[in-house]
Amino acid sequence: DQQVKQNSPSLSVQEGRISILNCDYTNSMFDYFLWYKKYPAEGPTFLISISSIKDKNEDGRFTVFLNKSAKHLSLHIVPSQPGDSAVYFCAASAAQGAQKLVFGQGTRLTINP
Amino acid sequence: NAGVTQTPKFRVLKTGQSMTLLCAQDMNHEYMYWYRQDPGMGLRLIHYSVGEGTTAKGEVPDGYNVSRLKKQNFLLGLESAAPSQTSVYFCASSLFSEGYTFGSGTRLTVV
Repeated sequence: DQQVKQNSPSLSVQEGRISILNCDYTNSMFDYFLWYKKYPAEGPTFLISISSIKDKNEDGRFTVFLNKSAKHLSLHIVPSQPGDSAVYFCAASAAQGAQKLVFGQGTRLTINP
Repeated sequence: NAGVTQTPKFRVLKTGQSMTLLCAQDMNHEYMYWYRQDPGMGLRLIHYSVGEGTTAKGEVPDGYNVSRLKKQNFLLGLESAAPSQTSVYFCASSLFSEGYTFGSGTRLTVV
């Protein structure tokens, strides 16, 4: 019973273009959402988050959008750079904070020169 | 500034053997977690702790035990390793309102 789903195992994008990573969730109690980035042989690192009281949060090239009615969030990276090539995990929490995170399966993003 | 340190980084166990994975954090975080990462499954929570002396079960706790005797350390034990426990294990710590800081992982193979 996967409460957080990333249905695209992989995504390939041209350098300079927009990368859009998607995430769906089923638990309506989730109120805090995060994206993590993971390079090989390293632990995941926090990228950006959004609270359920917002529908958009922006940090430089990264923007996360939340559609609560559709139980869907997405991460936009503009413009995409080769260093963005990594596995991206979506995560959610029902604890009014970043506690007991439930992670999606991950999406491997490859940025082509 | 070490952050979260996991030891060992790699280990091969025979079925039935036991071992302990150590996680240490130097950020004075209250919360600590153990996750396992498997292909196609993402990161799944094994056990977690909300403070020194406390532990709780996560999504996949069977076959594992944990202890948090000191605030900075969170130990994950496998009493009798099974091939199904072959995985990459990540420890993380956090404050209540912030994202996790992860360690670099322990790759465990059980043969």
